[in-house]
Amino acid sequence: AQSVTQLDSQVPVFEEAPVELRCNYSSSVSVYLFWYVQYPNQGLQLLLKYLSGSTLVKGINGFEAEFNKSQTSFHLRKPSVHISDTAEYFCAVSDLGDYKLSFGAGTTVTVRA
Amino acid sequence: GAGVSQTPSNKVTEKGKYVELRCDPISGHTALYWYRQSLGQGPEFLIYFQGTGAADDSGLPNDRFFAVRPEGSVSTLKIQRTERGDSAVYLCASSLTSGTGGVEQFFGPGTRLTVL
Repeated sequence: AQSVTQLDSQVPVFEEAPVELRCNYSSSVSVYLFWYVQYPNQGLQLLLKYLSGSTLVKGINGFEAEFNKSQTSFHLRKPSVHISDTAEYFCAVSDLGDYKLSFGAGTTVTVRA
Repeated sequence: GAGVSQTPSNKVTEKGKYVELRCDPISGHTALYWYRQSLGQGPEFLIYFQGTGAADDSGLPNDRFFAVRPEGSVSTLKIQRTERGDSAVYLCASSLTSGTGGVEQFFGPGTRLTVL
């Protein structure tokens, strides 16, 4: 099974500042990569995913992520955050051809005015 | 359209009791997943259904845990002889047939189980 490490458990950031959330996974085999967001009192929602092709993936709400195979990383970025981006963010991985997801422990982003 | 729903939203029980947690997937989704999320952790895979059958139950922690999906839609996660360590949020997700994988899983709001 995959092991997923989210390097930052909490990230405080000011409104309109950029943010980067780091994610590394363990396996060097082909993988699918996902970022999910969980807003307060809501279920997990898919932000973006990487299956194949371009290593730069764009998602909803202005987020993007870059797949780096050599570094086994899939870092999430947003150039300018809003108060409404306050949430917990989870990186998830599945092996090619698999269906179950392995999640990181999550990163809590708190956006302050 | 309606998303994945889970009932109850909260369940408090005593150690040793039996509990059932229900999941209603999105209509037409053939794949259904159960995950468990402990405090401060990410979701952890428990079991995956394709239609009525459990295609992979490798994540179930022990034989006190069991899940069914008799008609290929609603699923019930059953926990016997609950222990305090079972306290967690139990998440259900559904998706279209996964095929080679990589499909989006749609998550429900979860059931928070507390074992006293």
